[in-house]
Amino acid sequence: GAVVSQHPSWVICKSGTSVKIECRSLDFQATTMFWYRQFPKQSLMLMATSNEGSKATYEQGVEKDKFLINHASLTLSTLTVTSAHPEDSSFYICSASTRDRANNSPLHFGNGTRLTVT
Amino acid sequence: GDSVTQMEGPVTLSEEAFLTINCTYTATGYPSLFWYVQYPGEGLQLLLKATKADDKGSNKGFEATYRKETTSFHLEKGSVQVSDSAVYFCALGGFQKLVFGTGTRLLVSP
Repeated sequence: GAVVSQHPSWVICKSGTSVKIECRSLDFQATTMFWYRQFPKQSLMLMATSNEGSKATYEQGVEKDKFLINHASLTLSTLTVTSAHPEDSSFYICSASTRDRANNSPLHFGNGTRLTVT
Repeated sequence: GDSVTQMEGPVTLSEEAFLTINCTYTATGYPSLFWYVQYPGEGLQLLLKATKADDKGSNKGFEATYRKETTSFHLEKGSVQVSDSAVYFCALGGFQKLVFGTGTRLLVSP
């Protein structure tokens, strides 16, 4: 079945540095990818929607200059957390959907990335 | 805005016990409802779905019925197995943009 690979699965970084998370669709073309964030004991919250070749659409309250999203190809989207701070520590998870079955295709999720900022 | 509330876990059961994980929602319009499952070390997988009132979604022995009158979509299984141990997420929305509950961890012991 469809597989979404997310890398790294966990990362620890120092405050002020930037971290890049990759999300790849391995056996299908993902025209749309979604980035979610989950704090402990809370829901997955949609951060942004990215469409291949265009700018991402950010949800209210998400800083687009802090969470840079690039969806340069049909199989890869990246999320860069710039100038990370401890409050950015969270679980980030991506998902992808396809073009042809966009109206009926379920989302395929990556395994998530646990980010810890010290 | 739209929201999903699920029971807090962990839910701890013995093998072959009956499972219910409660899920209620608030939404404008008539969204589709989903249950996703996350096994240890893996991503979320769609378990079942229902797209309109009174629909019953089912898969792998799990069932959930879209109840508009009670705004609920409770997950049930008649006899759980150790391999069902995972985190279960209730969600609503379209197939692409989803609103998730907080997840309920299920632990099944032999």
